[in-house]
Amino acid sequence: DAGVTQSPTHLIKTRGQQVTLRCSPKSGHDTVSWYQQALGQGPQFIFQYYEEEERQRGNFPDRFSGHQFPNYSSELNVNALLLGDSALYLCASSFSGPNEKLFFGSGTQLSVL
Amino acid sequence: ELKVEQNPLFLSMQEGKNYTIYCNYSTTSDRLYWYRQDPGKSLESLFVLLSNGAVKQEGRLMASLDTKARLSTLHITAAVHDLSATYFCAVDNDYKLSFGAGTTVTVRA
Repeated sequence: DAGVTQSPTHLIKTRGQQVTLRCSPKSGHDTVSWYQQALGQGPQFIFQYYEEEERQRGNFPDRFSGHQFPNYSSELNVNALLLGDSALYLCASSFSGPNEKLFFGSGTQLSVL
Repeated sequence: ELKVEQNPLFLSMQEGKNYTIYCNYSTTSDRLYWYRQDPGKSLESLFVLLSNGAVKQEGRLMASLDTKARLSTLHITAAVHDLSATYFCAVDNDYKLSFGAGTTVTVRA
């Protein structure tokens, strides 16, 4: 059973560019959340998708947007990249029932130069 | 806004001794998670604590939750080198997790 898969694993971009990160949830999971983890810090919640809609959003600017597809996979898009967007981006999936555990992917390491 | 504080932020352990990591949070929540992260890796789920007084144990790690005090502890018994990692607590807040800053643990001989 494949767990949460993310692509790419590493990415280097320059300021002002746009980036798309991808996530396939664990089999049977219908909810996908995205987190940003800066070096030496805990993950910060970006947003969560359920039934192809954004259900919750953290304190991130509109430059961060997402999408969920009918097969529950998800994309995170970041426009107009800033140096401060350099971080590990983690995708987590779960089933939408109560008290469900999150499973995290291995992450995408984004470096903005 | 929910705040989650962990202490200590850095913990140097001696092999064979016992230690505790503390996690305080600012608003009511009945669900708390502990994760482990190795350098350059993703988060590995250790425990899910779902109610007041919940206690979970796995090997040398034991986690507990006191929702009235808004406090969770992660107790490490007889530390071994393999436990070197960063440990995060995270509090469930309306479908999203709020993480602490993490406790970086180093176990020395």
